[in-house]
Amino acid sequence: AQSVTQLGSHVSVSEGALVLLRCNYSSSVPPYLFWYVQYPNQGLQLLLKYTSAATLVKGINGFEAEFKKSETSFHLTKPSAHMSDAAEYFCAVSDQPGNTPLVFGKGTRLSVIA
Amino acid sequence: GAGVSQSPSNKVTEKGKDVELRCDPISGHTALYWYRQSLGQGLEFLIYFQGNSAPDKSGLPSDRFSAERTGGSVSTLTIQRTQQEDSAVYLCASTSAVEQFFGPGTRLTVL
Repeated sequence: AQSVTQLGSHVSVSEGALVLLRCNYSSSVPPYLFWYVQYPNQGLQLLLKYTSAATLVKGINGFEAEFKKSETSFHLTKPSAHMSDAAEYFCAVSDQPGNTPLVFGKGTRLSVIA
Repeated sequence: GAGVSQSPSNKVTEKGKDVELRCDPISGHTALYWYRQSLGQGLEFLIYFQGNSAPDKSGLPSDRFSAERTGGSVSTLTIQRTQQEDSAVYLCASTSAVEQFFGPGTRLTVL
């Protein structure tokens, strides 16, 4: 069975600092990996996805993530945090996107301090 | 174009009542998913539709939960005899390929 572990339920960074949100997955087949962001009282918005092409994936709002098979990781980074980045971030995995449900991590709440 | 819409946005009900939650997927999306988001549990899969068929209902927590989809479009999630532990945000997503597009959710509160 697939699973996703997000290290740190809450991460706090200063404005302008590096954002690093950790995600490790387990999957018996080559995975498809996703990062979603959820702003208060809103649905989930896709930040980026890995679908077995380039291992470094660039997404919206300056975020990127690197797929590392040897570490079974897909950490999300952003060089410089903005106040508007404060939200809940979810990592998810699927082995057959479109035909199977996503398995989500528990989420990481990002706070940005001025 | 229009995204996934859900109604109502908020629902407060009394324990033991039935509720219906509606999802309007993006036009043309063949697959539709229901998830539940609750404190401490994260996002849990409930049921998946491909067209009007539900090949995977494995996430439905009890027989009080049911869902249907008609015309390959609108889906309704029904919870019978609601319990306090059913309080959560119910999210719907649709997809035609890789990415799942999520609606804003319905926040259900069972008193």
